[in-house]
Amino acid sequence: SQQGEEDPQALSIQEGENATMNCSYKTSINNLQWYRQNSGRGLVHLILIRSNEREKHSGRLRVTLDTSKKSSSLLITASRAADTASYFCATDASQGGSEKLVFGKGTKLTVNP
Amino acid sequence: SQTIHQWPATLVQPVGSPLSLECTVEGTSNPNLYWYRQAAGRGLQLLFYSVGIGQISSEVPQNLSASRPQDRQFILSSKKLLLSDSGFYLCAWSVLWTGNLREQYFGPGTRLTVT
Repeated sequence: SQQGEEDPQALSIQEGENATMNCSYKTSINNLQWYRQNSGRGLVHLILIRSNEREKHSGRLRVTLDTSKKSSSLLITASRAADTASYFCATDASQGGSEKLVFGKGTKLTVNP
Repeated sequence: SQTIHQWPATLVQPVGSPLSLECTVEGTSNPNLYWYRQAAGRGLQLLFYSVGIGQISSEVPQNLSASRPQDRQFILSSKKLLLSDSGFYLCAWSVLWTGNLREQYFGPGTRLTVT
């Protein structure tokens, strides 16, 4: 069953603007992760936030997690054309040997130069 | 450092033909291994995962099977491909770090077109 659901499905912005993507999930989690996928390529891990954390930064990335609302957001500041990609959230609800992440459908971000 | 290989990069196969996609990981021991399928413009669907040699968990009943003959080798197979098997197949690995954290590292993918 689908766990993470990103919105918007697609986002188009100008270079220099900030991009915000949201993710909602349904069950309790151990952690939530964001991944990036360039067209036709594999996914690349961006950032992981634990269930007991509320905010995390990595370079131009800022991730927030609200476990009471079962939601997370990914903010990319001062976007660049090279940030154009699809972004996926993935939730880790592993328990009792279930060793898997559940990915959302992704947000396709286009940054126009 | 760890690397993950997938081959072939692209594949065009007729309906009813067999399939074998291979994934190997270097630089880590006893990883968890995963096969995903991604339809065009869609998210990732977990097909199989493995926590050890010979241990395969299937997530979705379908025309595919997986095997793990060696610690760092994961194979996706089909005896007879269907049109609906077309897609982008991704292999991934992970290890359990402290604190129950589990990032996944993806291969470059195989683009399969069934004609």
